[in-house]
Formats: sequence, C-alpha cells, structure tokens
Amino acid sequence: AQRVTQPEKLLSVFKGAPVELKCNYSYSGSPELFWYVQYSRQRLQLLLRHISRESIKGFTADLNKGETSFHLKKPFAQEEDSAMYYCALRSGGSNYKLTFGKGTLLTVNP
Amino acid sequence: GAVVSQHPSWVICKSGTSVKIECRSLDFQATTMFWYRQFPKQSLMLMATSNEGSKATYEQGVEKDKFLINHASLTLSTLTVTSAHPEDSSFYICSASGSGNEQFFGPGTRLTVL
Repeated sequence: AQRVTQPEKLLSVFKGAPVELKCNYSYSGSPELFWYVQYSRQRLQLLLRHISRESIKGFTADLNKGETSFHLKKPFAQEEDSAMYYCALRSGGSNYKLTFGKGTLLTVNP
Repeated sequence: GAVVSQHPSWVICKSGTSVKIECRSLDFQATTMFWYRQFPKQSLMLMATSNEGSKATYEQGVEKDKFLINHASLTLSTLTVTSAHPEDSSFYICSASGSGNEQFFGPGTRLTVL
C-alpha cells in the first residue's frame, strides 16, 4: 500500500529564513510525487511535480529515491507563502489516483 | 487554467435527508472525477473515483450505498449523501482530470447535518 508521511503538522519561520517541508513516501512502484498548496479560503492547487524539475514561486523539491523523500524547500520564505502544504503520491494504472499526506501548515512571520 | 466548480458551496440539512453535491469541469472534458472528504485540520481522503459513463470505484471503507456517485457526462459528476447523519458532516471536495491527467480541484462543499 502506498503512504505519504508529512511529519510536521505545523512549521513556523520568519520572513527571509529558509524553509523545508518534509515528505516521505512508501510505494512499491515508480512514484510520481507532487506538492499541493492551499492558501487560506482557497482551493487546493498544484504547486509542483517532481517530473517537471521546476521551481515555482521559489520552491523546489527533489525526489530522493534512496531516502524515499520529496522535501519542499525555499531559501527565503515570504509572508505570502503562509499556507497549508500537502505532499501527494500518484499511483499508476488507469485512474491515477492521489494519496495525500496529512499536510503541513506553514506560517511565515514578519 | 482548468476550472472546476462545485455546487452548493455549503449546505445544512436535517438528519435522515439526502443531499446532492455537483461537480462541474467548466472548460475541459473530465474523463475522470474524484471525490474526497476532508475533516477539520486533516488531509483529503479519497472516497471514490468515477469515469464518465461507468460505475464509480469506491475506496475501502466507503459505503457505496450511502455515497452515490454519478458521472453521466464529461463535465458533470454528482455525489449524493443519502440518509445523512451528523457524522457525515464534513468538507467534500471533488477534482477532475482530462487528457493531461493532472487533477484540478473544486472549491469544496461544506456539509452540516443537524
């Protein structure tokens, strides 16, 4: 069975500080991993996916198969980054369903 | 980008009644739609996956007779909570995916059963 673990429920940093949101996964196949973000009173939206290897809003995430991790990082946090962040794993097959971690609430203080 | 809407955004109903929630893809054809449930301060739990024109696939522990899902067209899926009880109160979120397989999420529906 696939599982996504986000060990931190809450993470608080000051503006300009580096931030890392942790995500570990377990999956027997070849994983597709994503980070979703949910700003206050807004819908869930895709932040980035590992296959794109892109940086979105200054965030990056590298898939480490050896450590089964997909941590989300940003070198200098901004107040507008305050949101709920969910790591998700997509299984293969015809339906591509997502398994979400429990989420980490990031608060960036001024 | 692709837009998914849900209606209603919130609903309050009496225990024992049924409630229907609609999920629409506004500008793309959704071959697959997903229904999630989110408890306060918790993650999204997938309830079921539906493909247009076929029966939904429910996750383990989800009662298919209680949560009826219909995906009759490429732009509309409905979730009906039958004989609702207070423990069914939750935030229900749908997502839709088309040819690109990316899931686009609706804004969610807050259900409160009195």
